[in-house]
Order: sequence, then structure tokens, then C-alpha cells
Amino acid sequence: GIQVEQSPPDLILQEGANSTLRCNFSDSVNNLQWFHQNPWGQLINLFYIPSGTKQNGRLSATTVATERYSLLYISSSQTTDSGVYFCGKDYKLSFGAGTTVTVRA
Amino acid sequence: DAGVIQSPRHEVTEMGQEVTLRCKPISGHDYLFWYRQTMMRGLELLIYFNNNVPIDDSGMPEDRFSAKMPNASFSTLKIQPSEPRDSAVYFCASSSAGNTIYFGEGSWLTVV
Repeated sequence: GIQVEQSPPDLILQEGANSTLRCNFSDSVNNLQWFHQNPWGQLINLFYIPSGTKQNGRLSATTVATERYSLLYISSSQTTDSGVYFCGKDYKLSFGAGTTVTVRA
Repeated sequence: DAGVIQSPRHEVTEMGQEVTLRCKPISGHDYLFWYRQTMMRGLELLIYFNNNVPIDDSGMPEDRFSAKMPNASFSTLKIQPSEPRDSAVYFCASSSAGNTIYFGEGSWLTVV
């Protein structure tokens, strides 16, 4: 079955808006990571977050392992935040289908 | 560090030809992963190595695909013979002790 589900599939934001992306996983997690794939195809690691909360500038992430979900928060979005956001689970990184974010100026 | 280095960045080849993709992981990393990304199937793990040993190759689509890691600083993914359905972006990634995973820029393969 599907191990990782992401929502929403698509998100259109006006520059400056805040948003929350969600990643649900079907069983226990040892390793949960968030990635941003930019329009040029590069996959950039945003967070390694098997549990707890981390923040990096305008981005933050929270993983509640006991409830099998993780959230990625984007605050004051910028056009450079556009792209696809993936969460990946465990060493093998079972990926969700991604959330495509478009930030409009 | 230069990050994960992949080559070639782009390759166009004819059906039936052999394709070899190369990867240099980040120095000191003990895990190396090969992924494939297509529109239809998304990002999928093909194989991963730990300390140069293949651990899980269940994602390798068929016998036409093979991967090797002869030493800690080099890995290859080979497709022989290539088919149009192999057209995809192939990513190599590495990590230390299975923690933060760093991706290379990908090899964009087109088989015509």
C-alpha cells in the first residue's frame, strides 16, 4: 500500500502568504526528510526531522511520529519557493507524490 | 565539499545502446542511493549501498539494469540494452549513517 501521502497535491500562493504542507505515513518512521525540487530539477534537502520541530529561516517542520504525520510550514512565501516539495521516509526514502507550489508575484 | 557529483548530466542515446551513469558521493558518506524520476512513477529507489555493499536492489526494474560500487568514492548504474521507457532523470544520493540525504544534480537520459 501507499506508505507516504502528501497533501495538497497543488498549491498556488500569492507572494507573502503562509502555507502548510502535510505528509502522512502509513507505519512507523525512523527517518523523515523534506526536500524541495526547484524548477531546474535540483533536489535540495530542507530538513532531516524524524521527530520534533526544526526551523530554518522562513521554513519550519514538525514531525509527530506517534501520529504518523509531518508538516512543513512556509511563511512569507517568495517566488523562489516555487517547485515541488517532497517528503521521504526511512533510509530508502519512500517518497510521496509531492506538493507542487506556485508562488505568484 | 563539492557535493554528490554525477555524470553525464545529459545523455541522448539510441535504443539498444549501453548507458553508463556515474556517481561520486560526498567524501565520508557510507550510504549511496540511486533513484529514478519519471512523470508517471515519481521518485523511486532503484538500489542502495552501505559501505560499498548493495543492500537492497528490489527497485531495479529488470536484468537490463545493474549497479556497482567498486570503492567508497565511485558508483555506476548501467543499462544494457537501453529502451525508450528508460528515459528518465536518474539521481544519485549519499548520506552518512542514513541521516540527511544529499542528492546530485541528476543525469537526464533520453533513449530514442
